[in-house]
Amino acid sequence: DAKTTQPNSMESNEEEPVHLPCNHSTISGTDYIHWYRQLPSQGPEYVIHGLTSNVNNRMASLAIAEDRKSSTLILHRATLRDAAVYYCILRDSGTYKYIFGTGTRLKVLA
Amino acid sequence: DADVTQTPRNRITKTGKRIMLECSQTKGHDRMYWYRQDPGLGLRLIYYSFDVKDINKGEISDGYSVSRQAQAKFSLSLESAIPNQTALYFCATSEPLAGLGTQYFGPGTRLLVL
Repeated sequence: DAKTTQPNSMESNEEEPVHLPCNHSTISGTDYIHWYRQLPSQGPEYVIHGLTSNVNNRMASLAIAEDRKSSTLILHRATLRDAAVYYCILRDSGTYKYIFGTGTRLKVLA
Repeated sequence: DADVTQTPRNRITKTGKRIMLECSQTKGHDRMYWYRQDPGLGLRLIYYSFDVKDINKGEISDGYSVSRQAQAKFSLSLESAIPNQTALYFCATSEPLAGLGTQYFGPGTRLLVL
């Protein structure tokens, strides 16, 4: 199963952009890249996903490297409510299983 | 009302006891999952079910069993609980095969085995 590697923690100032990196060098051609976040005392929630092209939604943007071996989740203006653990996940193309890593704990400073 | 519910939300039990964690969903999804999360770690898959008659082991199924009573219900059992099964347990559902597999998680059950 392909794995992801993320920094353990990052900090950002409120209302500034945040770039959360993820490496997935063993990704297969049909694996989707999903991002979830887990707020304190809650279950993970979906943020965004992509396959090859960059993606935007109301929560964030996802930039995917041309070789697909890395990706970056972009929060355009971090708020205190964005403080969470962010998981970069590869969705196994054959079984649709998610393979979670340890995630990046994002701290947002007021 | 929440789409994915878990009961109980908190449970304390003793070593050797049998316990059951229950999950219900109103999203109409066929696929359901059980994960455990240990402090400071990500989620690990215990079991998953693609429909009522299809149940599969995940990464860490030893010591656990599951039952898919209906499309909407997926239960996780610890036949003889042990302290290292102390963890936060999450149930999830996902969109069907034709979709993109986005998963929807319940609020979690915090289990303490003494």
